[in-house]
Amino acid sequence: DVVLTQTPPTLSATIGQSVSISCRSSQSLLDSDGDTYLNWLLQRPGQSPQLLIYSVSNLESGVPNRFSGSGSETDFTLKISGVEAEDLGVYYCMQATHAPYTFGAGTKLELK
Amino acid sequence: EVQLQQSGAELGKPGTSVKLSCKVSGYNIRSTYMHWVNQRPGKGLEWIGRIDPANGNTIYAEKFKSKATLTADTSSNTAYMQLSQLKSDDTAIYFCAIDTMGLFDYWGQGVMVTVSS
Repeated sequence: DVVLTQTPPTLSATIGQSVSISCRSSQSLLDSDGDTYLNWLLQRPGQSPQLLIYSVSNLESGVPNRFSGSGSETDFTLKISGVEAEDLGVYYCMQATHAPYTFGAGTKLELK
Repeated sequence: EVQLQQSGAELGKPGTSVKLSCKVSGYNIRSTYMHWVNQRPGKGLEWIGRIDPANGNTIYAEKFKSKATLTADTSSNTAYMQLSQLKSDDTAIYFCAIDTMGLFDYWGQGVMVTVSS
């Protein structure tokens, strides 16, 4: 199974600060169809996960453009340019290139 | 508006089965995969498997092959997951999710399954 390693496990930020989360895959996530199925999700406390970014860098509809994703093959990054209070929660990367689909362990974003 | 409405919380005894439902409105499930994901208390997300409601084809994560059975009823636009031979470590929140524009872009609210005698 593909292992996704997220760092850091916890991130403390002030409002307005820019932060990044790394997700490294144990194997390339480039699919034979040319797409790379690496998503980023946010789970706020007590809520369902919410898709933020799909296929590495595509912003899901309705998601603020302070969120951005980048990367390729095995190395991916989620950046939040100016954290807002509503951004607090646990961020997960997940891959859907190789079955079984797998998730990173999560990065908890909290206020400093 | 796309919505996924999951059935209510379940309390099951060890060794028994429960069947969870996920009713979709605003999107035809024939046009998507239905995924199931669990989250044990205080832990991360784990993919259980997916079903293609158009033809009933399923893929399961290895550890869930004898635990979960995924089905779908396209006439009611509803997907189901049966969990069998319940054990204490099946206690978790179970989510359904579908793919429309992106993968896993709509999620149900989650349902708590508690296994206890």
